[in-house]
Amino acid sequence: QVQLQESGPGLVKPSQTLSLTCTVSGGSISGDGYYWTWIRQHPGKGLEWIGYIYYTGGTYYNPSLKSQVTISVDTSKNQFYLKLTSVTAADTAVYYCARNSDYGETHFDSWGQGTLVTVSS
Amino acid sequence: DIVMTQSPVTLSVSPGERATLSCRASQSVSSNLAWYQQKPGQAPRLLIYGASTRATGIPARFSGSGSGTEFTLTISSLQSEDFALYYCQEYHRWPLTFGGGTKVEIK
Repeated sequence: QVQLQESGPGLVKPSQTLSLTCTVSGGSISGDGYYWTWIRQHPGKGLEWIGYIYYTGGTYYNPSLKSQVTISVDTSKNQFYLKLTSVTAADTAVYYCARNSDYGETHFDSWGQGTLVTVSS
Repeated sequence: DIVMTQSPVTLSVSPGERATLSCRASQSVSSNLAWYQQKPGQAPRLLIYGASTRATGIPARFSGSGSGTEFTLTISSLQSEDFALYYCQEYHRWPLTFGGGTKVEIK
């Protein structure tokens, strides 16, 4: 079973860039048909899909966040990354990395534990 | 975007009773609907996909039904470990969207 682990700063200042890493173990990030995904959850709220990257580098972002988001991948390190620019308090959330369940499907059975990022001065 | 609406927001149920959770889509998502369970401090866990297929290791007391715009998650006999938040997610169109959640609490 693949495992995912988020890492990165827990506190980011307003207007700065939030940067997170997801490290994948127990499987290759270069597997065909898998979308390496970021999802966030605002405190006490529901889930928001941010975007995904395919191992070839192809990406798709939530249009509501597209101007802020960049997702990238390093297959040699089995990691993928999230960058969110010009953050505000509204970007305070638990950020999860996840992988879809099966080839081409877009429901998620593998999740990281989540990392809380607080935007505050 | 497809808007997913879950009801009720909170469901109070006694252990051993049946729980029925609803999820409505603002447009048809066919059977491209998943359910997740989330406990405090944990990531969501996939319960159901394809509207009615249980994910690996999910007990048979969890069942899903529906298609198009109306979906139901039923927990046939609530166990103590089932008291949690439940989310639906559509994967019919990009961007993927989730419902606001239903909290199943002990009555």
